[in-house]
Amino acid sequence: GAGVSQSPSNKVTEKGKDVELRCDPISGHTALYWYRQSLGQGLEFLIYFQGNSAPDKSGLPSDRFSAERTGGSVSTLTIQRTQQEDSAVYLCASSLAVTAKQFFGPGTRLTVL
Amino acid sequence: GESVGLHLPTLSVQEGDNSIINCAYSNSASDYFIWYKQESGKGPQFIIDIRSNMDKRQGQRVTVLLNKTVKHLSLQIAATQPGDSAVYFCAEKLTQGAQKLVFGQGTRLTINP
Repeated sequence: GAGVSQSPSNKVTEKGKDVELRCDPISGHTALYWYRQSLGQGLEFLIYFQGNSAPDKSGLPSDRFSAERTGGSVSTLTIQRTQQEDSAVYLCASSLAVTAKQFFGPGTRLTVL
Repeated sequence: GESVGLHLPTLSVQEGDNSIINCAYSNSASDYFIWYKQESGKGPQFIIDIRSNMDKRQGQRVTVLLNKTVKHLSLQIAATQPGDSAVYFCAEKLTQGAQKLVFGQGTRLTINP
């Protein structure tokens, strides 16, 4: 595909369960970002990957959140022991370089019951 | 802390009129700014960007103005159309620290027929 894709588009889970969210960036983009957007709010930075450098995890809200990027392409955001306050839309973006404009995917809407 | 904010959370304009969405930023070291448009249920879509060495940049029906003296950014949309209805976010990239975008809260633009 031409754009950033994310899956699933919607995820409903029970409190305490683990979830995995997937992001497929645009081919050739070396930088990948995860954001969280609560209802009616702006985007909250979570983590970004740039090439083979160590990821910037400064935005992760707790140690229940983690992310990996395999082979410099696909990324997975994992939330362990989900809480109701984790409910939000999780957006992934990629860019050609860390200083270039970011292209966003459609997001995954996570609902924790 | 550093932040990007918007003066107006909502804006309604008549179809065909021009609209101006404003944004204030607090980090004088930011060197890159972007405007994104987000329609309901979709990820943010890049509209236009500007670097700190410029005061104005024009695109198709959109113009971004940067006033570094007062740390103010604006997005002008000419001859608004129903499809312009969305939430608009400004974002800044800090030159220091993490190379991530810091987003404002967003302004909801509604185009009235």
